[in-house]
Amino acid sequence: GQNIDQPTEMTATEGAIVQINCTYQTSGFNGLFWYQQHAGEAPTFLSYNVLDGLEEKGRFSSFLSRSKGYSYLLLKELQMKDSASYLCAVIENDYKLSFGAGTTVTVRA
Amino acid sequence: GAVVSQHPSWVICKSGTSVKIECRSLDFQATTMFWYRQFPKQSLMLMATSNEGSKATYEQGVEKDKFLINHASLTLSTLTVTSAHPEDSSFYICSARGPADYEQYFGPGTRLTVT
Repeated sequence: GQNIDQPTEMTATEGAIVQINCTYQTSGFNGLFWYQQHAGEAPTFLSYNVLDGLEEKGRFSSFLSRSKGYSYLLLKELQMKDSASYLCAVIENDYKLSFGAGTTVTVRA
Repeated sequence: GAVVSQHPSWVICKSGTSVKIECRSLDFQATTMFWYRQFPKQSLMLMATSNEGSKATYEQGVEKDKFLINHASLTLSTLTVTSAHPEDSSFYICSARGPADYEQYFGPGTRLTVT
């Protein structure tokens, strides 16, 4: 089983930084994903972490601490197009993805 | 590479009818595909795991006789919603497992509306 928690909503201004936290409890762990999903569309891959530490990809970075069951997604230099839902998902030993409820990020001008 | 398509992208059907949704991996072979359902403002919920050449594995609470899954080839899985009802209206998304076990590539989704 799994329990994945992330905040429901976050709001930030254009150009700012936002950090979305995700905590999880799983019976097995094979990595953690972050996806971006715009309304009415399928999720698009942002990052994958399986080892502890920070992975940086342009304006987006993702961090993982396996011992703490904790990850965050950092969005820098926010743009209006970054307004979307961000999904934290854990892949367990059976390679099934379990998703958190998603965090809706609203970027204001 | 790693493109997954779904057809149709949206469908409206009458209550009591059946609807088939196709999921195709266009440029890779996928022995395993996954079917998810997403209700408005909720996250993706795994419905079933589709394995090529064998029976699908359904998650707890998902009726296998209502949601028929067929994975007859390495590039195609189908989900048939039988005797659809308004409460089946949802966004159905498939994904295909890539060469690395942890990779999943998502299709664009199918919006089903049952009237």
